[in-house]
Amino acid sequence: GQQVMQIPQYQHVQEGEDFTTYCNSSTTLSNIQWYKQRPGGHPVFLIQLVKSGEVKKQKRLTFQFGEAKKNSSLHITATQTTDVGTYFCAGYNSWGKLQFGAGTQVVVTP
Amino acid sequence: DTAVSQTPKYLVTQMGNDKSIKCEQNLGHDTMYWYKQDSKKFLKIMFSYNNKELIINETVPNRFSPKSPDKAHLNLHINSLELGDSAVYFCASSQRGNTIYFGEGSWLTVV
Repeated sequence: GQQVMQIPQYQHVQEGEDFTTYCNSSTTLSNIQWYKQRPGGHPVFLIQLVKSGEVKKQKRLTFQFGEAKKNSSLHITATQTTDVGTYFCAGYNSWGKLQFGAGTQVVVTP
Repeated sequence: DTAVSQTPKYLVTQMGNDKSIKCEQNLGHDTMYWYKQDSKKFLKIMFSYNNKELIINETVPNRFSPKSPDKAHLNLHINSLELGDSAVYFCASSQRGNTIYFGEGSWLTVV
């Protein structure tokens, strides 16, 4: 069955540094979504990517969808303490089934 | 004004008890979900309902029974609670497989 894998599982970042989290699917995705869950909170939608090779930016966050529509990445520049939380990717396959990755838990050190 | 609301937020109960978590969405969405999040933060889908019809029923014990009285509500009843049921349960909704809106979660602790 479809698997969505996300790496790394944990990311410790010094404030001001950049980091990237990656999402890989075993099957082609119709679209991919990214969510952020703050500690003690609930997942909140960040963005959706639909087109092959699509790149979208939200301030310091850059999201990319691979050319084959089987992988995606989230790059955060100049990390701030407000970036702490767990980032999930979630991919829809062609049958309309959504699967979440395991998440990347981000800890920011001041 | 909360889009997806679930109650209770915290629930501490003894093994063997039966409990329910209620969920309501006021977004007019046609699909509702229950997710379970364990201590490692993994989000596992349990059930999905579309217009009150069950469309996803992942491998969960049959002690868990969802009920959707209408498309704005999806409740979760759990019989004979076990220690391993301790987790955060998120209700969520979406419109035809688009963005998923999560409730604030129900923290269940079984002692």
